[in-house]
Amino acid sequence: GQQLNQSPQSMFIQEGEDVSMNCTSSSIFNTWLWYKQEPGEGPVLLIALYKAGELTSNGRLTAQFGITRKDSFLNISASIPSDVGIYFCAGLNTGTASKLTFGTGTRLQVML
Amino acid sequence: NAGVMQNPRHLVRRRGQEARLRCSPVKGHSHVYWYRQLPEEGLKFMVYLQKENIIDESGMPKERFSAEFPKEGPSILRIQQVVRGDSAAYFCASSPTPRVPNEQFFGPGTRLTVL
Repeated sequence: GQQLNQSPQSMFIQEGEDVSMNCTSSSIFNTWLWYKQEPGEGPVLLIALYKAGELTSNGRLTAQFGITRKDSFLNISASIPSDVGIYFCAGLNTGTASKLTFGTGTRLQVML
Repeated sequence: NAGVMQNPRHLVRRRGQEARLRCSPVKGHSHVYWYRQLPEEGLKFMVYLQKENIIDESGMPKERFSAEFPKEGPSILRIQQVVRGDSAAYFCASSPTPRVPNEQFFGPGTRLTVL
């Protein structure tokens, strides 16, 4: 089946630094979603992307839908302690089955 | 402005018992999805339901697992004769439509532990 690989697997960064993570797929999607999950909670939707090449921002977060439709990138600028968590990408092909295919996750830890 | 509600949040069962997980979608959402998450892994799709219909159950194990979304009341994920390997977090998501835009909103999950 489809598989989404995220890198890096984990990151340990200083407060104030910018963060970049990416997600690659073996097949194309027509929608990309980025979620954040904190311990003991469900994933929370951060950004949704619907067109190849699209660049979308949500506060300090910026995500891009890759031109090939097989990848997506998430950037976090000026990280703060509350950015700690696991970030998941998810791909979706609407119109057929609407199931999300999740990536393997990037664990972000922020040092003060 | 209630989001997706799931209960119970934690469920402990002994091997061979039944587990029943409930999900109430966001008000006005008629599409429900169930996912399973093992420790240190991403979420894996199990089943997609609309009111009274199963649309896609390609991620559901063939035996012991069933799901429903009745006309009235919450969606139920039922696991019969649980085994240790069923221990996981089970998440429910809902969306207003399966078409673009399709943004699935997740509940807090039910953490099932099988002793």
